[in-house]
Amino acid sequence: NAGVTQTPKFQVLKTGQSMTLQCAQDMNHNSMYWYRQDPGMGLRLIYYSASEGTTDKGEVPNGYNVSRLNKREFSLRLESAAPSQTSVYFCASRDNYEQYFGPGTRLTVT
Amino acid sequence: DQQVKQNSPSLSVQEGRISILNCDYTNSMFDYFLWYKKYPAEGPTFLISISSIKDKNEDGRFTVFLNKSAKHLSLHIVPSQPGDSAVYFCAARTRGSTLGRLYFGRGTQLTVWP
Repeated sequence: NAGVTQTPKFQVLKTGQSMTLQCAQDMNHNSMYWYRQDPGMGLRLIYYSASEGTTDKGEVPNGYNVSRLNKREFSLRLESAAPSQTSVYFCASRDNYEQYFGPGTRLTVT
Repeated sequence: DQQVKQNSPSLSVQEGRISILNCDYTNSMFDYFLWYKKYPAEGPTFLISISSIKDKNEDGRFTVFLNKSAKHLSLHIVPSQPGDSAVYFCAARTRGSTLGRLYFGRGTQLTVWP
């Protein structure tokens, strides 16, 4: 039981490049989330998905898109990366009470 | 506008003493509160939670207190240990939320020194 896994762990992009961050969970949870963490800013919600086939915007959705491919997988896409998207990205899934987080992807955009 | 606030970015405590981390919230619809702990280069992990129908919840060395009238909660760690050094996030969820969306504070860096 791996919990929540994320790939890649690290990524460096040039401004304007695109990439997809992958997330998968094996706990059979319906809800999944993408956050970004910046110094002094805590965890800010980018997008979330209540169930397969549904997604909703969080606090900071601009510049991102998501896909809930199936119950297990929830990906985050940056179509045209900007330096302001340099951050650590966390994926999470939820049971009835708490959210379980992946180990994070550290993204740098130069 | 931050609905969950942790006004102390850092706290330093000697090993064996009590650590008290504070959190304030503004939304009266919050009915469930959680604390997460985060080590560097790892994802946050759940530590302890409390429902709004309670005012205290205890789990080993960790106790969370909730004061609804003041919209304030605190996490007490007794005794503090060097391994407790981490960033602690306070989070809250609204009543009846089927999506389970959590609102996080900005975190408090706890350092426990020997």
